[in-house]
Amino acid sequence: DTGVSQNPRHKITKRGQNVTFRCDPISEHNRLYWYRQTLGQGPEFLTYFQNEAQLEKSRLLSDRFSAERPKGSFSTLEIQRTEQGDSAMYLCASRQTATEAFFGQGTRLTVV
Amino acid sequence: GEDVEQSLFLSVREGDSSVINCTYTDSSSTYLYWYKQEPGAGLQLLTYIFSNMDMKQDQRLTVLLNKKDKHLSLRIADTQTGDSAIYFCAETRLYGSGNTGKLIFGQGTTLQVKP
Repeated sequence: DTGVSQNPRHKITKRGQNVTFRCDPISEHNRLYWYRQTLGQGPEFLTYFQNEAQLEKSRLLSDRFSAERPKGSFSTLEIQRTEQGDSAMYLCASRQTATEAFFGQGTRLTVV
Repeated sequence: GEDVEQSLFLSVREGDSSVINCTYTDSSSTYLYWYKQEPGAGLQLLTYIFSNMDMKQDQRLTVLLNKKDKHLSLRIADTQTGDSAIYFCAETRLYGSGNTGKLIFGQGTTLQVKP
């Protein structure tokens, strides 16, 4: 078990470009979460998948954001027409049991 | 409503005990967590406590939960310079209709350990 893996670790993009991040959860974890963390703040919930079904989306997730988990394994988070306000750390977490939720190392997005 | 609050900064000397405090407002919370984040890194799960427990000890870490006051604390014994990081408390509700197990985080407490 190699833990939750996120790619890329860092992404610098120009405003208006589209970006896609990937999360590989711990194998057999059926619950997957995306969070966003801005500087000096705690992570904020974005969206939740149980297997391949997206069951909850935060109002932070504007229509420029889309997330998928096509086969109930890895997940992608896409941001279209990026804005400077999208600059943040994007964190993925997975859990199987009712207890521990494990996080990846995050993808740091910088929009210039 | 959902809100988790923490003090922003704590400074201690190496070898002393550190106590990081957290208050939450959702009495339906099922599990409460402490995570550690080092610069530029993700979140490392330190420990968690179920809401029907008062205390949990794990090596140098002691978690105390006062459910009546909705107060959670993390005590780190014999604090080391390697403990310098940001510590987040978080709550979740796992049971009941519509509860997805998402975590609600505080804004984090920066722990500075002086040699």
